[in-house]
Amino acid sequence: AQKVTQTQTSISVVEKTTVTMDCVYETRDSSYFLFWYKQTASGEIVFLIRQDSYKKENATVGHYSLNFQKPKSSIGLIITATQIEDSAVYFCAMREGMSNYNVLYFGSGTKLTVEP
Amino acid sequence: EAAVTQSPRNKVTVTGGNVTLSCRQTNSHNYMYWYRQDTGHGLRLIHYSYGAGNLQIGDVPDGYKATRTTQEDFFLLLELASPSQTSLYFCASSEDWGDNQDTQYFGPGTRLLVL
Repeated sequence: AQKVTQTQTSISVVEKTTVTMDCVYETRDSSYFLFWYKQTASGEIVFLIRQDSYKKENATVGHYSLNFQKPKSSIGLIITATQIEDSAVYFCAMREGMSNYNVLYFGSGTKLTVEP
Repeated sequence: EAAVTQSPRNKVTVTGGNVTLSCRQTNSHNYMYWYRQDTGHGLRLIHYSYGAGNLQIGDVPDGYKATRTTQEDFFLLLELASPSQTSLYFCASSEDWGDNQDTQYFGPGTRLLVL
C-alpha cells in the first residue's frame, strides 16, 4: 500500500490566486515528519517546507504554508499569491519516526500550472 | 544548504552495457540516497547509505548495485543495463542531526537512456 498519496495529478490556476494541493499519508508511528518538495521544469528538486507531527502549529515559509490535519492524516500545501514561476511539480513526502536512515516516502506528485 | 552534484548529466548506453552514475556531496552529510523518477511513480528509492562502506537496499533495488567509497561519494552501478532502467536518476543527501535533520537535498539528476 502506498504510504503517501497525491490524488491531484494536475492543477491549473490564474496568477495571484491561492492554490491548495492535497496529500494524505499512512503510518502507524506516533511521530513522523512531512515534507513538500518542488521540481522545476529544469528537473531541479528543491525542499520547500516541513511539518513535524508533534507540532500543532502549521508551518509557514514565505508564501508557502501547510494545512496539517492530523486526524485525517492529511498535509495540504497552500500557495498564496501564486506566480508564474510557481509552475512546477510538487511532491509530498513522509519520514516515519521509527525509520532508520531518514528514509522518505514520496507521493507521485501534482503538476501545478500558473497562468497569466 | 547542501551541495550535491551528479555526473554524468546525460548518458546513453546499449542493452547489456555497464554504467556508473556518480554523486558527490560536500556538506559532510552522513546519509546519501539514490532514486529513480518515472512518470506516474514519483521518486522511488533504489539504495541508500550511512557513511563510507555502508549500504542499504531500497524499494526498487533489482538490477542496481551501489557503493559508498567515502562520506562524500556515492555511486550507482548498472552492470547489465536494460531498457527498463531508462529513467531520471537523482542522488540526495541529508543530515542526521540539527534543525535540518531528515530534510533531503537533491542533486541535479542524471538522465539515462538504455537502447
